[in-house]
Amino acid sequence: QSVLTQPPSASGTPGQRVAISCSGSSSNIGSNTVNWYQQLPGTAPKLVIYSNNQRPSGVPDRFSGSKSGTSASLAISGLQSEDEADYYCAAWDDSLNGWVFGGGAKLTVL
Amino acid sequence: QVQLVQSGTEVKKPGASVTVSCKASGYTFTSFFIHWVRQAPGQGLEWMAIINPSSRSITYAQKLQGRVTMTRDTSTSTVYMELSSLRSEDTAVYYCARGSGSSGGEMDVWGKGTTVTVSS
Repeated sequence: QSVLTQPPSASGTPGQRVAISCSGSSSNIGSNTVNWYQQLPGTAPKLVIYSNNQRPSGVPDRFSGSKSGTSASLAISGLQSEDEADYYCAAWDDSLNGWVFGGGAKLTVL
Repeated sequence: QVQLVQSGTEVKKPGASVTVSCKASGYTFTSFFIHWVRQAPGQGLEWMAIINPSSRSITYAQKLQGRVTMTRDTSTSTVYMELSSLRSEDTAVYYCARGSGSSGGEMDVWGKGTTVTVSS
């Protein structure tokens, strides 16, 4: 059972906008920033959002992040087939004194 | 270019130890943190530990305290992760990742992963 809770799956059709949620607590998301990672099948994870809503260079502006209270969300607009991947949220946890990941959400592009 | 190159596949018996290496290049080794993250087959990501190569300060995941040890060699820009008392549940792909940002929590460059299989 992961400390951060994500839905196991999400889906959308090409061109649509999808959002993936990440729920935590006051010891992690509530008091620290959230990062999001994309993992394509058979590859290492890739950072797509850091500090709640910042995009690393090279990440399309179709990807955006937000945070409110103890929850965060990753949104992908103009969905493309190459966005089909697993997405993980992560944050520092003050109680555990370490980083924690969500269980991951598998995004399917229909 | 910035890259992290990990050592190769390992097969170990239960109770044994394994050491995985991660060699950094293309940036100043002591200016960024290094994380270890693992992923069991078909499962999600699990954070294991972080090291500040400059200060040698290390934080381990509570779950792995006492079994995991991180070290670094600044002369070769290499970080090592040793996991002892291996059990079948330690079978996973082990990744190293560079940590950026003020707290080092932004894992912006990843190695390709090292598969560790624990089997009798």
